[in-house]
Amino acid sequence: AQSVAQPEDQVNVAEGNPLTVKCTYSVSGNPYLFWYVQYPNRGLQFLLKYITGDNLVKGSYGFEAEFNKSQTSFHLKKPSALVRDSALYFCAVRDEPPGNTGKLIFGQGTTLQVKP
Amino acid sequence: GAVVSQHPSWVICKSGTSVKIECRSLDFQATTMFWYRQFPKQSLMLMATSNEGSKATYEQGVEKDKFLINHASLTLSTLTVTSAHPEDSSFYICSAPIPPSGTFYEQYFGPGTRLTVT
Repeated sequence: AQSVAQPEDQVNVAEGNPLTVKCTYSVSGNPYLFWYVQYPNRGLQFLLKYITGDNLVKGSYGFEAEFNKSQTSFHLKKPSALVRDSALYFCAVRDEPPGNTGKLIFGQGTTLQVKP
Repeated sequence: GAVVSQHPSWVICKSGTSVKIECRSLDFQATTMFWYRQFPKQSLMLMATSNEGSKATYEQGVEKDKFLINHASLTLSTLTVTSAHPEDSSFYICSAPIPPSGTFYEQYFGPGTRLTVT
């Protein structure tokens, strides 16, 4: 069965410093990986996805993620954090190939706190 | 771009009553929608897959008689929490895959509905 793990409940970083939010996955076939962000009392906003191709994926708001097949990881990164990046971040994996409207399986979520 | 809306955004109801939450796809048709439940500072747990014109598919452990799902049109799915109890208080989020460009379906999420049962 597909699964996603986010080992950190919370990540704290100072504004202007680089940030990393970790995600590892387990799939039986090809991985289709996603990052979403959630602000308080709001739905999820899509940040980026990896389907195939370049291992470094660039997304919204200056975020990027690196797909590492050997380490089965898909860590979210940003070179310079902003206070407004403070939010709850979810890594997710699809359980079906792209041709279907497959459901997403979410990690536990990581709270990012960026301090001024 | 594609948008998914939910109504209401928050609702308070008394124990024993039923509450209906709507999920609408705007500017696109959604034959499938997903309903999630989220507890404070926790992950999203998939409750069910809503299929237009047919019965919903519920995840293991979700009571289908308590969480009634109706997908009556290509743009509307509803979740009704029947005989609500305080433990049903949660944040309910729906999502819909938009028609693919190529073969891949992106999922768009609604803003969520905060249900409080007193």
